[in-house]
Amino acid sequence: EVQLLESGGALVQPGGSLRLSCAASGFTFRSYAMSWVRQAPGKGLEWVSVISSSGGSTHYADSVKGRFTMSRDNSKNTLYLQMNSLRAEDTAVYYCAKGSSSWYDRDYFDYWGQGTLVTVSS
Amino acid sequence: DIVMTQTPLSLSVTPGQPASISCKSSQSLLHSDGKTHLYWYLQKPGQPPQLLMYEVSNRFSGVPDRFSGSGSGTDFTLKVSRVEAEDVGLYYCMQNIQLPPTFGGGTKVEIK
Repeated sequence: EVQLLESGGALVQPGGSLRLSCAASGFTFRSYAMSWVRQAPGKGLEWVSVISSSGGSTHYADSVKGRFTMSRDNSKNTLYLQMNSLRAEDTAVYYCAKGSSSWYDRDYFDYWGQGTLVTVSS
Repeated sequence: DIVMTQTPLSLSVTPGQPASISCKSSQSLLHSDGKTHLYWYLQKPGQPPQLLMYEVSNRFSGVPDRFSGSGSGTDFTLKVSRVEAEDVGLYYCMQNIQLPPTFGGGTKVEIK
């Protein structure tokens, strides 16, 4: 059974930093691209970033480019999202999502974690 | 970015009756690989999204056959032949023919 367990969400002040983690199990983690998708309170879904199966390639939404960094440790079956210079508009539940293939072009998310809440407020 | 527009915003359905949700994209989702990169998700209350349909009309593992997807190019439809209580939630369409993947605004389905 595929399981994705996010952690690291917290209340942080504007301008602060946070690192989210996503522990994966139930599938061959190193074989699949992974994404982060967020959902602001009461709002819709917004894709944040994607990383290829090897970790060699990443892409980011314009709204987070230059502030967020996605990475993965295939030896630990874990995905990360380093979030710097946080803003109020980054407040959201952050989901990690498994891709259906190793590359992210024309891919989709077949399994999602339960999410972790990030609140940016003073 | 490709804009995804869903209608209606909300739907109230009597159990056992059909429901239909429309999704339109600002450009064609048909790729030269022959696939149309349109997906449907359901987010049940308090839960993460779950995949319903991929590439327009393929039901994901475990999805009941009362769900069906159709459409081509820029116009797509998700149909539920007989709505059940467990089908309530927010339905989202998503495209990933090009980065960034973008979602529709969502359609809230509730039971009368």
